[in-house]
Amino acid sequence: GNSVTQMEGPVTLSEEAFLTINCTYTATGYPSLFWYVQYPGEGLQLLLKATKADDKGSNKGFEATYRKETTSFHLEKGSVQVSDSAVYFCALTNTNAGKSTFGDGTTLTVKP
Amino acid sequence: SAVISQKPSRDICQRGTSLTIQCQVDSQVTMMFWYRQQPGQSLTLIATANQGSEATYESGFVIDKFPISRPNLTFSTLTVSNMSPEDSSIYLCSVIPRGYEQYFGPGTRLTVT
Repeated sequence: GNSVTQMEGPVTLSEEAFLTINCTYTATGYPSLFWYVQYPGEGLQLLLKATKADDKGSNKGFEATYRKETTSFHLEKGSVQVSDSAVYFCALTNTNAGKSTFGDGTTLTVKP
Repeated sequence: SAVISQKPSRDICQRGTSLTIQCQVDSQVTMMFWYRQQPGQSLTLIATANQGSEATYESGFVIDKFPISRPNLTFSTLTVSNMSPEDSSIYLCSVIPRGYEQYFGPGTRLTVT
C-alpha cells in the first residue's frame, strides 16, 4: 500500500534560517504529491503540489521537487519567518483511488 | 477550487451519545472524504462517500460507528455514534473537485467527556 514518511519533528529555527523538511514515499502507480500546512487552530491548507516526476511545486517561498528516482518530495524554504510556524504534512494521492495518504506531520517553530 | 463549510465547528459531548457533523461544498463533487485527526497526530481516512452509493470504509472503521449520508453532490454528514473519550478528535471533510488537488473543510473539533 501507499505510505508517506516525514522527517521527525519538532523543528525549531531562528528567523531567516534555511528550512528543509524531508519527505519520502512508497506508492503504486504515479501519485501526485502535496505539502499541506496547518496553522494553530485552523484546518489544512494546500501549500504546494507536483503531479509528475521532476515537477517543482512552489508557493510563498516554499519549494519541493518531485524526485521519482529517490521517491522524495522534500520541502525547502530559503529564509523562514515567524509566521511560518505551523504543522506541515506531506501527502500523496493515488491517481486510481483519489484518496490521500498523509505523513505524520512536522511541527515547525520559528523564533524571532 | 472548492469552499467547504462544516457544522458544528466544535462540540463537547457526553460518553454514549451521538453527534452528526455536516459538510457543505460550494460546488458539485463526485467524491467526498471524511478524515479523523486525533490530538497531535496525522490524518486518517475514515471513509469515501460517493453520491448514490454506500460509503466505502477504511480498515478499522465501520458503518455502525460512523454512519455517513450523501444525499446530493454538495452535502454529506458523518455521525459519530455511541461516543467514547477515544473519539475525541478533529473530523475533517474533504473533496477533490478535479485533478488530484484536495480541499479540506475547517474541521469539527470534538471532545467527549
